[in-house]
Amino acid sequence: SQQGEEDPQALSIQEGENATMNCSYKTSINNLQWYRQNSGRGLVHLILIRSNEREKHSGRLRVTLDTSKKSSSLLITASRAADTASYFCATARSNDYKLSFGAGTTVTVRA
Amino acid sequence: DSGVTQTPKHLITATGQRVTLRCSPRSGDLSVYWYQQSLDQGLQFLIQYYNGEERAKGNILERFSAQQFPDLHSELNLSSLELGDSALYFCASSAVGLGETGELFFGEGSRLTVL
Repeated sequence: SQQGEEDPQALSIQEGENATMNCSYKTSINNLQWYRQNSGRGLVHLILIRSNEREKHSGRLRVTLDTSKKSSSLLITASRAADTASYFCATARSNDYKLSFGAGTTVTVRA
Repeated sequence: DSGVTQTPKHLITATGQRVTLRCSPRSGDLSVYWYQQSLDQGLQFLIQYYNGEERAKGNILERFSAQQFPDLHSELNLSSLELGDSALYFCASSAVGLGETGELFFGEGSRLTVL
């Protein structure tokens, strides 16, 4: 079973707009990670946020984590056509070596 | 380029057959992970090795087995193949050792088609 659930399943935006996607999970975590996957390609790590952190930035990406609500959000600002991809959240639990992925959000950025 | 190499990239085989997928992790990474990605099941964790030892097991079928060799490359063996085993199989490696699951570096995957 998957630990994380992304919302929405799909998102279509205009170039230049912001894209926000959410991830909810079920059990306590050690860290939460976001990955991007271009169609049929390998996943690429975007950002990792630990359970004692609330917000993290990397370039045009902003990630928040609310452990009390067991949720995280990924914001992509000023989106570009190249941001078109599927985005996955993944959770790592304490004393558990696997990384569990959600079903992903498919983002389409229209030129 | 993640530095993780997977072979073969594509594989077409028949039901009942056996295949071996190979993964070379990034130089220096001791942890190797295997994932299966299909349209209906999403990205499913199969198994993880750390420095040659099995460290975590997920939804891996008994028909599947894996190992990590002394040179740290890993192989995933899939036997008695069924149509439902058609999927993209990913290998990922990590530099982080015990105690934390850090950033994973994914290969480009091996696409298996079972006819």
